[in-house]
Amino acid sequence: DVKVTQSSRYLVKRTGEKVFLECVQDMDHENMFWYRQDPGLGLRLIYFSYDVKMKEKGDIPEGYSVSREKKERFSLILESASTNQTSMYLCASSFPQPNSPLHFGNGTRLTVT
Amino acid sequence: AQSVAQPEDQVNVAEGNPLTVKCTYSVSGNPYLFWYVQYPNRGLQFLLKYITGDNLVKGSYGFEAEFNKSQTSFHLKKPSALVSDSALYFCAVRDGYSSASKIIFGSGTRLSIRP
Repeated sequence: DVKVTQSSRYLVKRTGEKVFLECVQDMDHENMFWYRQDPGLGLRLIYFSYDVKMKEKGDIPEGYSVSREKKERFSLILESASTNQTSMYLCASSFPQPNSPLHFGNGTRLTVT
Repeated sequence: AQSVAQPEDQVNVAEGNPLTVKCTYSVSGNPYLFWYVQYPNRGLQFLLKYITGDNLVKGSYGFEAEFNKSQTSFHLKKPSALVSDSALYFCAVRDGYSSASKIIFGSGTRLSIRP
């Protein structure tokens, strides 16, 4: 079974802190994604990566950056956390074929105070 | 631009009755459509995907989806609902054919099955 592991289940940070969310997948997937999930808004794409060191902006990249130095790991960075970044963050991975489904981690619930 | 819509925030069904969760899409070219389910405090799980040429696609947990090209819909169905089907359901569409394409999600539909 594909396993996508997010390093933290719950995280509480203070406004202005730099925050790192880590995601690791074990299926040699080329594509990796970061979404945030908010009630009533569904999932919104922050960034995705289709290869090592490659990244593409999603729909809401402002205030975030990403890093993909190794194929299995995709990190989301909040440069200076703000309260409006309190959310559930979901990492996913997939093969590059257009009909390949995403495999999700269990999510990180981030609270910024 | 590609988009996907789930017109119902919530669907309520009695156990044993058939259920339908609606999804409509807008794409240019062939659609790559998916359904996912999310149980409380968990990530999303893949349920099924559209396969070109099949108007009825079968997936996990007894779910199926009906593809209708003229109505640009991909509704999720199950003949007989279970209480354990209560969860949040998302429809998604792939934004293009390349490896650099995005996957866009609908806003989600909460399915509630009463005993």
